[in-house]
Amino acid sequence: EAQVTQNPRYLITVTGKKLTVTCSQNMNHEYMSWYRQDPGLGLRQIYYSMNVEVTDKGDVPEGYKVSRKEKRNFPLILESPSPNQTSLYFCASSLSNTEQFFGPGTRLTVL
Amino acid sequence: AQKVTQAQTEISVVEKEDVTLDCVYETRDTTYYLFWYKQPPSGELVFLIRRNSFDEQNEISGRYSWNFQKSTSSFNFTITASQVVDSAVYFCALSERSDSWGKLQFGAGTQVVVTP
Repeated sequence: EAQVTQNPRYLITVTGKKLTVTCSQNMNHEYMSWYRQDPGLGLRQIYYSMNVEVTDKGDVPEGYKVSRKEKRNFPLILESPSPNQTSLYFCASSLSNTEQFFGPGTRLTVL
Repeated sequence: AQKVTQAQTEISVVEKEDVTLDCVYETRDTTYYLFWYKQPPSGELVFLIRRNSFDEQNEISGRYSWNFQKSTSSFNFTITASQVVDSAVYFCALSERSDSWGKLQFGAGTQVVVTP
């Protein structure tokens, strides 16, 4: 089944404790992205990648890191999470200018 | 600057009424794509439509229809004869060639509430 998977789905952590949210797709898509969703703000893109080893900042990259060492994986790293990073996170993948396929979301709470 | 504006925060209708969701976008590109996504209460994001900037034909898919007008930079979405299952948040989004299609900019979303 074609899909984007994210793990974990739910995470509660404390300020400053490094964490990684994994994202994997099985559709051989070149493009992958991370978004955060906050009430009243829609989805905002954090980082995107157009291919292996090619990443670029989205609209809200501060406090986040990504890497794309393999085509199928695009982990999101929060080196020192803060409460303002409490949000719902979505990973997505696509071919170039086609529709993006979204993962199920990861709800992160930073205390 | 917000490139995609969905001015309606929430729309409430009674079942069988029609509902139109507005989407206004801003771009300097001549080549771009517009999208609509649905987010039901379960939380997943469901793709509804993609429209490129060179195709201004309106599109109908069942009870859904889309009106794309470049002259007003709008890409509006109408649900005809709404049903309770249409209750969701709907997002409009823009992808531009100048960003090599990497960026997808979403509007803030419109919450649609359909009551029986």
